[in-house]
Amino acid sequence: AQSVTQLDSQVPVFEEAPVELRCNYSSSVSVYLFWYVQYPNQGLQLLLKYLSGSTLVKGINGFEAEFNKSQTSFHLRKPSVHISDTAEYFCAAAGGNEKLTFGTGTRLTIIP
Amino acid sequence: KAGVTQTPRYLIKTRGQQVTLSCSPISGHRSVSWYQQTPGQGLQFLFEYFSETQRNKGNFPGRFSGRQFSNSRSEMNVSTLELGDSALYLCASSLAPRAGNEQFFGPGTRLTVL
Repeated sequence: AQSVTQLDSQVPVFEEAPVELRCNYSSSVSVYLFWYVQYPNQGLQLLLKYLSGSTLVKGINGFEAEFNKSQTSFHLRKPSVHISDTAEYFCAAAGGNEKLTFGTGTRLTIIP
Repeated sequence: KAGVTQTPRYLIKTRGQQVTLSCSPISGHRSVSWYQQTPGQGLQFLFEYFSETQRNKGNFPGRFSGRQFSNSRSEMNVSTLELGDSALYLCASSLAPRAGNEQFFGPGTRLTVL
């Protein structure tokens, strides 16, 4: 079985400051890792995914994430945030025939 | 290409009633998954369908059921509604049920049980 832990439930950040949202996973098989974003009253939108290859993955809206196998982490980063980045962010993992497993989410609040 | 559509967007029901939610996947996508999202439990997997067959099921009581039609559209049904069933129900589609395939989410159906 696999599990995903998002260490921070809420992260406040000043506009134009950098941000890192943390995600750790555990799995007995190789996993694929995803970050999704959910804006208010909307469904989830894929930001980026790691399947294999380069451990640094670039996504939409200036976000990137780094896969670290030894630390079983997949942290999401953005060098400079905007008001429009205010949303909830979900880390997710999928492996083998298993379903997509989500973390509990991190609410990112941008302070003007 | 049109995205995943879910109907209705909002529903209000009373305890004991039953409800049916509908999901139309992106054209060409044959795999449909359902999730329940609540503030307390987060996103929980309900079930996954592919080619009209349920492939995976989450840890939900038998009151929750679903099906998929030959055109890949899917419905989920909740019978004997309880207050705790109030949630946002999200549907996601993908080309096929492979772990690395991106799932595309609909806007959800917000169910309120009174």
